[in-house]
Amino acid sequence: SQELEQSPQSLIVQEGKNLTINCTSSKTLYGLYWYKQKYGEGLIFLMMLQKGGEEKSHEKITAKLDEKKQQSSLHITASQPSHAGIYLCGVETSGTYKYIFGTGTRLKVLA
Amino acid sequence: DAGVTQSPTHLIKTRGQHVTLRCSPISGHKSVSWYQQVLGQGPQFIFQYYEKEERGRGNFPDRFSARQFPNYSSELNVNALLLGDSALYLCASSFRGFQETQYFGPGTRLLVL
Repeated sequence: SQELEQSPQSLIVQEGKNLTINCTSSKTLYGLYWYKQKYGEGLIFLMMLQKGGEEKSHEKITAKLDEKKQQSSLHITASQPSHAGIYLCGVETSGTYKYIFGTGTRLKVLA
Repeated sequence: DAGVTQSPTHLIKTRGQHVTLRCSPISGHKSVSWYQQVLGQGPQFIFQYYEKEERGRGNFPDRFSARQFPNYSSELNVNALLLGDSALYLCASSFRGFQETQYFGPGTRLLVL
């Protein structure tokens, strides 16, 4: 079965610093979603990547999909306290009508 | 437009009881999915419904069941509650399923004592 491993598990950065979160799949990635979750709340959709090599940006967040590496990265530029939360990657496991999430990355941004 | 809504927001039950959680999707969305998120872990997929039919099921025991109504709202039922069922239960809706963006509700926090 497919698994998504995220790294790092947790991250504490000073406000203004850049950071990268990785999501590595045990199987080929045909697309991937990134979500953000405030502690104990629902997930907020960030970005969807649909094909290898695709890169998308929204405000200070950029996500890329490298299908050869079976990996996606999420990069935050000039982090702010509002970026704090849990970042999750998610995919539908191919042809199964099932959905899996990554292990999650907890981000804390120090003001 | 209203987002995905879930009720109740919090719930306390005792072992062996039964619980029903409710979800109303975004207007126009025909697919609803349910997830269980235990503290400190990522969400685990429970069910996906599309056009009132179960389309996918995760690795959960038969104590977990769900249904989707003609107005596309959904219920998740859990029988014979165990302490381990304590979690945040998330509902998500999309137009047709996982090939489109899922939008999540705020969740129902269930505590089983």
